[in-house]
Amino acid sequence: GAGVSQSPSNKVTEKGKDVELRCDPISGHTALYWYRQSLGQGLEFLIYFQGNSAPDKSGLPSDRFSAERTGGSVSTLTIQRTQQEDSAVYLCASSLDRGRYQETQYFGPGTRLLVL
Amino acid sequence: ELKVEQNPLFLSMQEGKNYTIYCNYSTTSDRLYWYRQDPGKSLESLFVLLSNGAVKQEGRLMASLDTKARLSTLHITAAVHDLSATYFCAVDKAAGNKLTFGGGTRVLVKP
Repeated sequence: GAGVSQSPSNKVTEKGKDVELRCDPISGHTALYWYRQSLGQGLEFLIYFQGNSAPDKSGLPSDRFSAERTGGSVSTLTIQRTQQEDSAVYLCASSLDRGRYQETQYFGPGTRLLVL
Repeated sequence: ELKVEQNPLFLSMQEGKNYTIYCNYSTTSDRLYWYRQDPGKSLESLFVLLSNGAVKQEGRLMASLDTKARLSTLHITAAVHDLSATYFCAVDKAAGNKLTFGGGTRVLVKP
């Protein structure tokens, strides 16, 4: 079946502009996660959504970052007033359900963001 | 705060030989994952280890978990070129929770 999809695959923007990154999780997956991968910081958790529960935003690096998940499916990560240090690959992942025994997070291809 | 450390960071392998990647984590966790990442690609799930003493094998890769030592190993048997990639271990504190990743081990298998 279809995996996690993300768009755009690449985004180049100018410092100070806002960007939106989109994630379509695997159908039926109730949990959705955003991570960031950069050379200096490795793979970092940003935010996760589980069903209708309040999202865990503990990994968001600043208030310029926000995310929403509409209808329990598609998610959008928004970065306002982008800075050069925001340049990274943004990865989305989804998993079936928080309580399931053999839970695995399946990752999308990522969005490579470059802030000039 | 949960910390995950991998070593080595880089591993140059000769085809046909055996190697091990180590993953240490700092606090009790429910499960440990191994992922593979090819250059420019996303993360591919390899193994999920759920309990002390768990061992899983797929082809030339075998992963094990010692929760008392807070250590997982990824063993590569008779390395081949197509195993060249970066390998990450990751831990979550509870089922379905956020993952904390190790720094990755870049593996290069030379003929």
